[in-house]
Amino acid sequence: KQEVTQIPAALSVPEGENLVLNCSFTDSAIYNLQWFRQDPGKGLTSLLLIQSSQREQTSGRLNASLDKSSGRSTLYIAASQPGDSATYLCAAYNFNKFYFGSGTKLNVKP
Amino acid sequence: DAGITQSPRHKVTETGTPVTLRCHQTENHRYMYWYRQDPGHGLRLIHYSYGVKDTDKGEVSDGYSVSRSKTEDFLLTLESATSSQTSVYFCAISVAGNTEAFFGQGTRLTVV
Repeated sequence: KQEVTQIPAALSVPEGENLVLNCSFTDSAIYNLQWFRQDPGKGLTSLLLIQSSQREQTSGRLNASLDKSSGRSTLYIAASQPGDSATYLCAAYNFNKFYFGSGTKLNVKP
Repeated sequence: DAGITQSPRHKVTETGTPVTLRCHQTENHRYMYWYRQDPGHGLRLIHYSYGVKDTDKGEVSDGYSVSRSKTEDFLLTLESATSSQTSVYFCAISVAGNTEAFFGQGTRLTVV
């Protein structure tokens, strides 16, 4: 069974910092890895999807990388803003299912 | 929100009663999923569907059943609600199994 871990569980940074969120998975036979954002009381918003054949994807200030061999993905957020405050979740897809990590709760202080 | 509607958005029900949650999509996506989200457990898959009348179990399927008679609707039924099923339930859709997933806004269910 796939196990997905996200470290740290919580992170507090001042506005303007560049930061990295980590996601690790135990089974490297994934089809893709997806990063989501969740605001309190809301659903999940898709941020980036990386296929297993890709190394990274970029969208605006977000960059996600994938290293299947080491079972790791990172989400890089450049020039963080208070509006980036949310919980960030990663999900690895294999065996017809998405396996989620428990998330990193990010607080960006003005 | 990628054309996904969950209903109801909030529900309080009594232990032992049956409850049905509905997920409706307007995207004609083949795959649909039901997850529950609980503090300390994250998101866990209950059931999923890969086509009309084609469903399979996830990791926490006990006490739940699903039905998909039309592409656009995926129903989750709690056969006899228990307090342990108090949770936030999310529906998700994807074009194929390994493509981008989109989530609904969730249904907050409280079993008293």
